[in-house]
Amino acid sequence: SSELTQDPAVSVALGQTVRITCQGDSLRSYYASWYQQKPGQAPVLLIYGNNNRPSGIPDRFSGSSSGNTSSLTITGPQAEDEADYYCNSRDSSGNHWMFGGGTKLTVL
Amino acid sequence: QVQLQESGPGLVKPSQTLSLSCTVSGGSISSGNYYWNWIRQPAGKGLEWIGRIYTSGSTNYNPSLKSRVTISVDTSKNQFSLKLTSVTAADTAMYYCAREVVTAINWFDPWGQGTLVTVSS
Repeated sequence: SSELTQDPAVSVALGQTVRITCQGDSLRSYYASWYQQKPGQAPVLLIYGNNNRPSGIPDRFSGSSSGNTSSLTITGPQAEDEADYYCNSRDSSGNHWMFGGGTKLTVL
Repeated sequence: QVQLQESGPGLVKPSQTLSLSCTVSGGSISSGNYYWNWIRQPAGKGLEWIGRIYTSGSTNYNPSLKSRVTISVDTSKNQFSLKLTSVTAADTAMYYCAREVVTAINWFDPWGQGTLVTVSS
């Protein structure tokens, strides 16, 4: 099916490690990107091509992919990392984009 | 550094056409290997990809919106535009424009700050 599935909400204690996952059949064929969105702001690119981090993004953010699942890992999250996280990839046609439903991360 | 800025009416009546523009600054819209995209987000909900246009003018649209969407580019103004016809309240959302970097991977960066469009009589 052409959809990306994310857990709606995840919580993590300050300084612990959290993994946010994204599942979809198209991830077997296409790369995933991850975006962070804080309240009232536009999304910001965090990870592209499954595991590449743009300049300026802290190295506590990393990405990985296996089979139909792409993952965003935050190692030692900070309070400022509390945000919504969206995965993104192509649909089965390869010519259209789709986003996961988003995961709201709470840092306790 | 390339920046994108959306503009257009914040209020559109039902059944009418929503028209937005995205102005690109800090670089030419016609240079480089990029798609120019529109993405929207209803309040409190997730992101929905609307469609994109390549510098050559070729387009791709979300199949669920394809019958109502047109994306065009005006290189003289360094802008690209979105038209969405026959709008309803379900089209009320924050609308973002974003540049898609075309490589073997592709990704959206940067994004505009977004513009809120409300469909209401």
